[in-house]
Amino acid sequence: DAGVTQSPTHLIKTRGQQVTLRCSPKSGHDTVSWYQQALGQGPQFIFQYYEEEERQRGNFPDRFSGHQFPNYSSELNVNALLLGDSALYLCASNYRGYTLNYGYTFGSGTRLTVV
Amino acid sequence: EDQVTQSPEALRLQEGESSSLNCSYTVSGLRGLFWYRQDPGKGPEFLFTLYSAGEEKEKERLKATLTKKESFLHITAPKPEDSATYLCAVQPNFGQAGTALIFGKGTTLSVSS
Repeated sequence: DAGVTQSPTHLIKTRGQQVTLRCSPKSGHDTVSWYQQALGQGPQFIFQYYEEEERQRGNFPDRFSGHQFPNYSSELNVNALLLGDSALYLCASNYRGYTLNYGYTFGSGTRLTVV
Repeated sequence: EDQVTQSPEALRLQEGESSSLNCSYTVSGLRGLFWYRQDPGKGPEFLFTLYSAGEEKEKERLKATLTKKESFLHITAPKPEDSATYLCAVQPNFGQAGTALIFGKGTTLSVSS
């Protein structure tokens, strides 16, 4: 049973560019959340998608946007990249209502480097 | 403001030397407290969820406990393969289930043989 799949695994972009990261949730999961993890820090919540709508958003600027598709997969878009956007971007999935017993399942992340 | 503080930031142990990691939290109502393990360059791996004060859960050499203000992750007779960063996260009790987790910065554990 495949877990959460993220692509690409690594990415190098130049300041001011735009980037799209992709996530396929674990089979049976319908909710996708995105987190940003800077080096030496814990993951920070960006936003969550359920039923193709953004349901909750963390303290991130509008340069960060997302989308969820009918098959529950998701994309994270970041515009006008800044050096400070360099981080590991994690996708987490869950089946809504069953978080407590099984937690969120995380992917291995996309390492984004902005130069 | 909801927040999670983990201590120590780093912990070095000899194989077989038991110890505890601390997670202190302030949250406006707790739906659940989560412990995750994260290996370098990987995503967090789910370990435990604790719901209410007094609850305990065990998995191999790990035992997690919960009080109203903090949680402990006890590691008994650790082995080198237990070396990782251990993350604590809380889920506030508002809105629907499945809302965002608030993470601490983690404790990086190194176990030498």
